[in-house]
Amino acid sequence: QLQLQESGPGSVKPSETLSLTCSVSGGPITANNYHWGWIRQSPERGLEWIGGSHYRGGTGYNPSLESRVTVTVDTSRNQFSLQLTSVSVAETAIYYCVRHFRGFTDYFDPWGQGILVTVSS
Amino acid sequence: DIQMTQSPSTLSASLGDRVTITCRASQYINNFLNWYQQRPGEAPKLLIYAASTLQSEVPSRFSASGSGTDFTFTINSLQPEDFATYFCQQSFNSPRTFGQGTRVEI
Repeated sequence: QLQLQESGPGSVKPSETLSLTCSVSGGPITANNYHWGWIRQSPERGLEWIGGSHYRGGTGYNPSLESRVTVTVDTSRNQFSLQLTSVSVAETAIYYCVRHFRGFTDYFDPWGQGILVTVSS
Repeated sequence: DIQMTQSPSTLSASLGDRVTITCRASQYINNFLNWYQQRPGEAPKLLIYAASTLQSEVPSRFSASGSGTDFTFTINSLQPEDFATYFCQQSFNSPRTFGQGTRVEI
């Protein structure tokens, strides 16, 4: 059974870069038809899709975040990462890593347990 | 962006009840609609994809239907573990967007 686990700092200062890693176990990150991505959740914004990447490098990002987001896949470690630059206090949220199926249909499954990231000075 | 609107926001029900949640998209999304369950303190879990296809190992008391802009999600015979928040999500185009959620409470 595929499992995803987020890791990284639980706090970031405003204007700095948020960096998270997702470790994938129980299956290869090199599977076709899947992107590996990130979704965040806060009471103010609800669930918000951030974006993701295929292991071969194709990416898809939320246009509202695209200028600040990078998702990269490390096949040697079976993990992928998120970098979000110039964060603001409003981006305090639980960040989930997800496997994103993109084929005849399109959905997020499974999800990691989530990691709370607080943006505060 | 496609706006997803769920109703109701909160639903009070009892064990054994049949409950229905609706989700409306602000524009046509064919059948690119998914449903997720989120229990308190947990990550969302995919229940249904492509508007009506039950994900593997999801109990058959969950069902959904719809196409175009209007969708419904139903739980037959509510069980204790079903008290949670349910979200719809469109995958028709980018950015993928979610409804605001429907909390099913006792």
